[in-house]
Amino acid sequence: ETGVTQTPRHLVMGMTNKKSLKCEQHLGHNAMYWYKQSAKKPLELMFVYNFKEQTENNSVPSRFSPECPNSSHLFLHLHTLQPEDSALYLCASSQEGLGLVSEQYFGPGTRLTVT
Amino acid sequence: GQQVMQIPQYQHVQEGEDFTTYCNSSTTLSNIQWYKQRPGGHPVFLIQLVKSGEVKKQKRLTFQFGEAKKNSSLHITATQTTDVGTYFCAGLDNNAGNMLTFGGGTRLMVKP
Repeated sequence: ETGVTQTPRHLVMGMTNKKSLKCEQHLGHNAMYWYKQSAKKPLELMFVYNFKEQTENNSVPSRFSPECPNSSHLFLHLHTLQPEDSALYLCASSQEGLGLVSEQYFGPGTRLTVT
Repeated sequence: GQQVMQIPQYQHVQEGEDFTTYCNSSTTLSNIQWYKQRPGGHPVFLIQLVKSGEVKKQKRLTFQFGEAKKNSSLHITATQTTDVGTYFCAGLDNNAGNMLTFGGGTRLMVKP
């Protein structure tokens, strides 16, 4: 499946580094999401963008900064992370309408390790 | 806020045995979705249920939505090794924002 792509697939970074995760969807969807998946919280919604506007921010620390330049691309900028931020970061997209929630298509994820 | 709980957290079965995972919401849901995540993979959409008491089947998988729209189940008949993975339910409560809330997942392991 290549509908939603994520780069890089693996990332190791120190606590003082700055890096960015990239997500691209080729499905023509209007909503994109960032999730964090770890052993403690299997699927934790971080951010939601609908028509390029951020609609959800689930109390995510400011060291995570999302950016959605257009409806096909989503970035997650990382800086001064903590070891507990090590996890699989999943991007997803969906086509949303008024009062409708459709299925989400997930990318393969970025496995992040903070040392 | 809205909570979606899944049980069991883990399940080991012998190949050929049946398997069921249960999903319970703290609030009444508008609809519920089910996803499967293979080991090392990403969640893949399986099905969406919308109506109270709805039952849908996909080959050996049977999905149910409770009458009160607060619970759901996924039943697999005669499991196969290809069924291995984590099954997530995700519920939507329109009164709690237009966002899906995922359950913790049930990890299924099948012994050949």
